[in-house]
Amino acid sequence: AQKVTQAQTEISVVEKEDVTLDCVYETRDTTYYLFWYKQPPSGELVFLIRRNSFDEQNEISGRYSWNFQKSTSSFNFTITASQVVDSAVYFCALSERQGSARQLTFGSGTQLTVLP
Amino acid sequence: DVKVTQSSRYLVKRTGEKVFLECVQDMDHENMFWYRQDPGLGLRLIYFSYDVKMKEKGDIPEGYSVSREKKERFSLILESASTNQTSMYLCASSLLVSNQPQHFGDGTRLSIL
Repeated sequence: AQKVTQAQTEISVVEKEDVTLDCVYETRDTTYYLFWYKQPPSGELVFLIRRNSFDEQNEISGRYSWNFQKSTSSFNFTITASQVVDSAVYFCALSERQGSARQLTFGSGTQLTVLP
Repeated sequence: DVKVTQSSRYLVKRTGEKVFLECVQDMDHENMFWYRQDPGLGLRLIYFSYDVKMKEKGDIPEGYSVSREKKERFSLILESASTNQTSMYLCASSLLVSNQPQHFGDGTRLSIL
């Protein structure tokens, strides 16, 4: 079973629109971490945010905000007033303890295109 | 800033060749990882290492091996390259502490002809 589901394969919005990227996860761990990464066309994955399973407080960083809800196993990412530079593939990831180190399980990614 | 450097941005090899992908990090991270990225599949973990000479299989280790002789360097080896190993390969590193993010290199786009 897929542990991290990003149901939206591609999203296209016009600049200045708000957009929400969905992420649903499943885990049996009581302690786990959730991450969002951005992959611009250049290819390098850029870390955006980390959340631990005990902290359900929503977070805002500039135009970015994250909504973590354990009750629905979701960790959604909203970009407010989107800009062309936000165009990228966005990955949600889950960190559980497996083997000797925590591994990241990635969703399949959401391609966001922001049109001028 | 953490710097993860992959030796090649683009690489073209032939079927049956032995291929080495190199990755170096400069932040004294204990953990290092190799992923492959394919359209619609996201990133899949091939191998990871939490210490020198230590390695553990990820989700798709078949056809690959790794080497970690020094803390800063983690090599991915395709023993006999096949066309289905054409992909984008991403290296990452992180601290051993469990909640730390992984830092990624720019990726190597490998084509096997």
